[in-house]
Amino acid sequence: DAKTTQPPSMDCAEGRAANLPCNHSTISGNEYVYWYRQIHSQGPQYIIHGLKNNETNEMASLIITEDRKSSTLILPHATLRDTAVYYCIVRAVSGTYKYIFGTGTRLKVLA
Amino acid sequence: GAVVSQHPSRVICKSGTSVKIECRSLDFQATTMFWYRQFPKQSLMLMATSNEGSKATYEQGVEKDKFLINHASLTLSTLTVTSAHPEDSSFYICSASMQGPTVWGEEKLFFGSGTQLSVL
Repeated sequence: DAKTTQPPSMDCAEGRAANLPCNHSTISGNEYVYWYRQIHSQGPQYIIHGLKNNETNEMASLIITEDRKSSTLILPHATLRDTAVYYCIVRAVSGTYKYIFGTGTRLKVLA
Repeated sequence: GAVVSQHPSRVICKSGTSVKIECRSLDFQATTMFWYRQFPKQSLMLMATSNEGSKATYEQGVEKDKFLINHASLTLSTLTVTSAHPEDSSFYICSASMQGPTVWGEEKLFFGSGTQLSVL
């Protein structure tokens, strides 16, 4: 079962920051948080991942709360091309590691 | 980022035939590959985990005799849908795991572009 909870949909104005929340209250100490996005009819694209520190790359920033029970993906200046389904994943560590996708957040960037 | 190539991108076949889907990691070696399927407007569902040189591990409810997975090398995994039926019509996506500088944690999963299978 997916270990994350995300809002089903969000809208964001073009040029503004998009803040996508994710709840992972049962995360274990050695589990990482990953973010992927899927544009219609394509394979998911890696965005960013982190353990406990905030992370930033050329695509986005990842803010993880101190208790690690939730995180926020930030797209600093959303464009129309950022319209996609965004998935927050906590990597399972039971036996072999697996990436279990939840339902994700459908982000729509509005012109 | 790393590139995962998946072919074919689209296939239409008759009921009862078998279809093979290839997944290649082009610029890195992947000891582990994952296969997912996705129905319209739904999330990705993990079908199986494939490790190079060993038998795939299937998720509960996935028929291993129907969905044959072969991971013969560090850059190639194949999924064969045997005796396909219309209910097997779906979007199939492969992914390959690339290790980072450390053994644990610093890995990334890269996805192929998917295969849309339509069984008539």
